[in-house]
Amino acid sequence: GDSVTQTEGQVALSEEDFLTIHCNYSASGYPALFWYVQYPGEGPQFLFRASRDKEKGSSRGFEATYDKGTTSFHLRKASVQESDSAVYYCALGEDTNAYKVIFGKGTHLHVLP
Amino acid sequence: EAAVTQSPRSKVAVTGGKVTLSCHQTNNHDYMYWYRQDTGHGLRLIHYSYVADSTEKGDIPDGYKASRPSQENFSLILELASLSQTAVYFCASSDRGNTEVFFGKGTRLTVV
Repeated sequence: GDSVTQTEGQVALSEEDFLTIHCNYSASGYPALFWYVQYPGEGPQFLFRASRDKEKGSSRGFEATYDKGTTSFHLRKASVQESDSAVYYCALGEDTNAYKVIFGKGTHLHVLP
Repeated sequence: EAAVTQSPRSKVAVTGGKVTLSCHQTNNHDYMYWYRQDTGHGLRLIHYSYVADSTEKGDIPDGYKASRPSQENFSLILELASLSQTAVYFCASSDRGNTEVFFGKGTRLTVV
């Protein structure tokens, strides 16, 4: 079945560092791709989505580009802040069953002041 | 603002007992989901529904049942709770497929 892989379980950075969280997917067809963020004690919140090759999604200074060739949707931010500390989830919506959303295991970002 | 409300927010259950987690949404969304969150596993889909009176199995349905009596309400039922079902459970809703999913705040279930 379809799947999402996030290679980093935890990432530790200092403020103003550049962030990259890697996300690769395996899916038949053409899935929609998403990034979500989860703060302590809360449910995940939608960041942005992309649904076609080379489309860029962005929000709150975060961005990712849909790359069908490398089956990737890496999350990037130029300058992180302490308030960005959270768990980030990459997800996909199946092409053949749009109601089914599959999440990766999440990446815990720690930003040190 | 879109709202998904889960109850209870925290529960301790006895092994072998029955547990019902409830979810109510005021988003007027057709699609609702139950996810389980465990350290190291992220979010895994248990059951979902896209219309009242119908539910579908997700990736880890074993040991769980779901009920969607109305568009607004979606319950997760553990008929015989087990220690391995200790986790945080999230209910969510969306307007249609491949769009933003709105999550509740979660229910922390501890089975002892």
